[in-house]
Amino acid sequence: ETGVTQSPTHLIKTRGQQVTLRCSSQSGHNTVSWYQQALGQGPQFIFQYYREEENGRGNFPPRFSGLQFPNYSSELNVNALELDDSALYLCASHPGRGGEETQYFGPGTRLLVL
Amino acid sequence: RKEVEQDPGPFNVPEGATVAFNCTYSNSASQSFFWYRQDCRKEPKLLMSVYSSGNEDGRFTAQLNRASQYISLLIRDSKLSDSATYLCVVGHNDMRFGAGTRLTVKP
Repeated sequence: ETGVTQSPTHLIKTRGQQVTLRCSSQSGHNTVSWYQQALGQGPQFIFQYYREEENGRGNFPPRFSGLQFPNYSSELNVNALELDDSALYLCASHPGRGGEETQYFGPGTRLLVL
Repeated sequence: RKEVEQDPGPFNVPEGATVAFNCTYSNSASQSFFWYRQDCRKEPKLLMSVYSSGNEDGRFTAQLNRASQYISLLIRDSKLSDSATYLCVVGHNDMRFGAGTRLTVKP
């Protein structure tokens, strides 16, 4: 196993609500990245944090925000949920700074927006 | 144009077959290249990194052509357990995934 955990495993929300997803990385993994994977698609990069600061962002609106904490945990927050936000949300971590290293994924959180 | 493009698939092959997946990427500054495997309703897992000199891991061979911005994965002697979606991944400051190619190996 990768040592990366995510919670909750499944979540159902309604349009307009807010959601917080959580990730716990391996100790020593200073970078965490978050991805959205829609059904039948590859993971899409949302953003990346290195030592508690945002270190890159994909093409997602500002209502997608994140935090990384000193204890190697992190959060993905999504405000004003839309139906299209229904997806598998994955976090991945690695020790270094850049996003080009091998990343270790958590099992993901399946979000359904009704 | 998508940053990482893969064969759309799906590939349905018999056990023992050889199958090849292709991938192209648009960012010439990309620095790292990987193939990940994703089983149904599971997270992606690293299959192998891809190096310019080409590399092999058992039945799996990966090739990289930087000039053509092209990556390939060859699977020889396919097993039932190889059935999965194969994701081409390209790294620069972050990692970008292709849409994946589904492989089904049948008895």
